[in-house]
Amino acid sequence: QVQLQESGPGLVKPSETLSLTCAVYGGSFSGYYWSWIRQPPGKGLEWIGEINHSGSTNYNPSLESRVTISVDTSKNQFSLKLRSVTAADTAVYYCARGSATLVRGLIVHNGMDVWGQGTTVTVSS
Amino acid sequence: SYELTQPPSVSVSPGQTARITCSGDALPKQFAYWYQQKPGQAPVLVIYKDTERPSGIPERFSGSSSGTTGTLTISGVQAEDEADYYCQSADSSGAWVFGGGAKLTVL
Repeated sequence: QVQLQESGPGLVKPSETLSLTCAVYGGSFSGYYWSWIRQPPGKGLEWIGEINHSGSTNYNPSLESRVTISVDTSKNQFSLKLRSVTAADTAVYYCARGSATLVRGLIVHNGMDVWGQGTTVTVSS
Repeated sequence: SYELTQPPSVSVSPGQTARITCSGDALPKQFAYWYQQKPGQAPVLVIYKDTERPSGIPERFSGSSSGTTGTLTISGVQAEDEADYYCQSADSSGAWVFGGGAKLTVL
């Protein structure tokens, strides 16, 4: 049973960098897409970006200028850095696993089937 | 930026059928995915690739798609189905987008 566990500071000061790590337990790291998603208090889900095991990334255009997602396959974990944070970045941050299959040369995604429990990050001085 | 539009709320009595829609211009070319989120919990994938149901998801959950609208249908709604439901799809650049979410209330 694959499990994901987010970790990182729960409080970040405005203008600083938010850093989170997602550890992957009990399953293969390769062959999947690894995403970060956030949810501000009382609001909906927002996809931040994803990375695959080889390090290829795909970001939400609205956050791309501030986001870096990286992977450490030796530790079975991937990380999020969000720079220049403001109060609007206060949210529950989730990591999730996505899978895909190759169909007639095209990548077809199968959804995000495993999620971490989420970690709350507050931006405040 | 690309948007997926969901009704904010849907109400249904136990045993009835709930239908939650998701509208987006790219849906004729992109699959829709559906997630259930209960208070204080992480989302759970209930439908992928428009109509496929992951193992462990009850058969009363089904999905369909027609033109620019995807639909999540819950047949024989139970009290435990009360939750927020989010659709997800990709824009033309491959970036994932979530709908605003629909709160299902079981009366």
